[in-house]
Amino acid sequence: SQLAEENSWALSVHEGESVTVNCSYKTSITALQWYRQKSGKGPAQLILIRSNEREKRNGRLRATLDTSSQSSSLSITATRCEDTAVYFCAANNAGAKLTFGGGTRLTVRP
Amino acid sequence: NAGVIQTPRHKVTGKGQEATLWCEPISGHSAVFWYRQTIVQGLEFLTYFRNQAPIDDSGMPKERFSAQMPNQSHSTLKIQSTQPQDSAVYLCASNPLGITETLYFGSGTRLTVL
Repeated sequence: SQLAEENSWALSVHEGESVTVNCSYKTSITALQWYRQKSGKGPAQLILIRSNEREKRNGRLRATLDTSSQSSSLSITATRCEDTAVYFCAANNAGAKLTFGGGTRLTVRP
Repeated sequence: NAGVIQTPRHKVTGKGQEATLWCEPISGHSAVFWYRQTIVQGLEFLTYFRNQAPIDDSGMPKERFSAQMPNQSHSTLKIQSTQPQDSAVYLCASNPLGITETLYFGSGTRLTVL
C-alpha cells in the first residue's frame, strides 16, 4: 500500500481556472513534497512543506498540510497550458527516502 | 549546473541480455537514489546510497538487479538476464544531504526489453 496517495487520477480545467490536487498519507511524516513531471522528464519539486507547517506558497502554487487528517493539497491558480503535467505528492517519513503517490494527471485546455 | 545526467536515454535489449544504466549526480550531492516508473506501479523506490555506501535497497528485486556507486561522480544500475517485465523508465535522483529533502531527478532511462 502507498504511504502517500493522490485522490484523483486525472483532472481537466480550462486555462485561467484554479485547480486543487489532494493527497492523503499514512503514518507520521517529517515532510510532504509536491512534484510535477512533464512528458519525457523526471519529476521536479514544486513545494516542500514540513510537518510543523500548515501552508506554503510558491508563486501561483499553494500547498497545505493537515497532520490531524493526514492530508495535503496543492492548489494552482490562473492555470496555464504549460501546467499540464502529472502531479505527485511524496512523503518523507524517516530519513532521506521519498515515497511517491500514484500521481494526478492534470490537463489544462486553452 | 547540468543537473543529474542519465545515460543512455533509451535502451532496447533482448530478453535474457544484460542492461547497465548510468547516473551522474549533481556535483557535491552526497546521496543518490534509484526509482523505477511504470504505468501500473507508478514511481517505485529501488535503492539509495549515501556517501557512496549502500543505505537502503529495500525496493530492489532480490534477483538480477544490482546497484553500485564506485565513486562520488557516478552510480550504475545493472539488470542481468532482462525480462519483459523489467521494461520501465529508470530514474536517478541526487540530494545534498543535510541541506534539504528535495530530490533532483534526471530525465531517466527508458528500458525496453523485447
